[in-house]
Amino acid sequence: QQQVKQSPQSLIVQKGGISIINCAYENTAFDYFPWYQQFPGKGPALLIAIRPDVSEKKEGRFTISFNKSAKQFSLHIMDSQPGDSATYFCAASFQGGSEKLVFGKGTKLTVNP
Amino acid sequence: DSGVTQTPKHLITATGQRVTLRCSPRSGDLSVYWYQQSLDQGLQFLIQYYNGEERAKGNILERFSAQQFPDLHSELNLSSLELGDSALYFCASSPRNSLRTGGYTFGSGTRLTVV
Repeated sequence: QQQVKQSPQSLIVQKGGISIINCAYENTAFDYFPWYQQFPGKGPALLIAIRPDVSEKKEGRFTISFNKSAKQFSLHIMDSQPGDSATYFCAASFQGGSEKLVFGKGTKLTVNP
Repeated sequence: DSGVTQTPKHLITATGQRVTLRCSPRSGDLSVYWYQQSLDQGLQFLIQYYNGEERAKGNILERFSAQQFPDLHSELNLSSLELGDSALYFCASSPRNSLRTGGYTFGSGTRLTVV
């Protein structure tokens, strides 16, 4: 119940295309869903986050879509750029607890020029 | 620079040895989290400290221990090392009620290689 399942494991997209990464969770107590971006040799960095009271959140080219009934959420990267090539992690947490994050296993995104 | 400092960046040691990884959180952050990142398991939560006290424990082996000192820096001690302990170890810090204000900040990690 603590798991967050992420797919695909890897993704190759052409420059200008849309990258879509999906995550699913079981524990309905999760109430905070961030996405982290990690470049080689660096730690993960917060990209965008959503709470279950909204169905979509957009920040620039990055959009999170959230489906509470299906217990799924996804990251959409519009107009993907080679600089977006990185590993993306979805995560989930409870606000009321220790605030530890449970991470998906990551998606390695490659955007070809 | 994220503001979270981890040392050393790289560590190579032999099986059976003991190492200490150090983390200095961002100024003002009270919580420190330790994560292990391996290729097959992804980012696994190990342990969290809040203002010097252990707050949550995850998949941390008994051979591993951690503490947070009065100046809020934290150390992760790994003993009786095995080949399978080779991984990236990340520290993250957050202020109080972090998930309402922007989440964690990760350091750049310590890459541990056990030979």
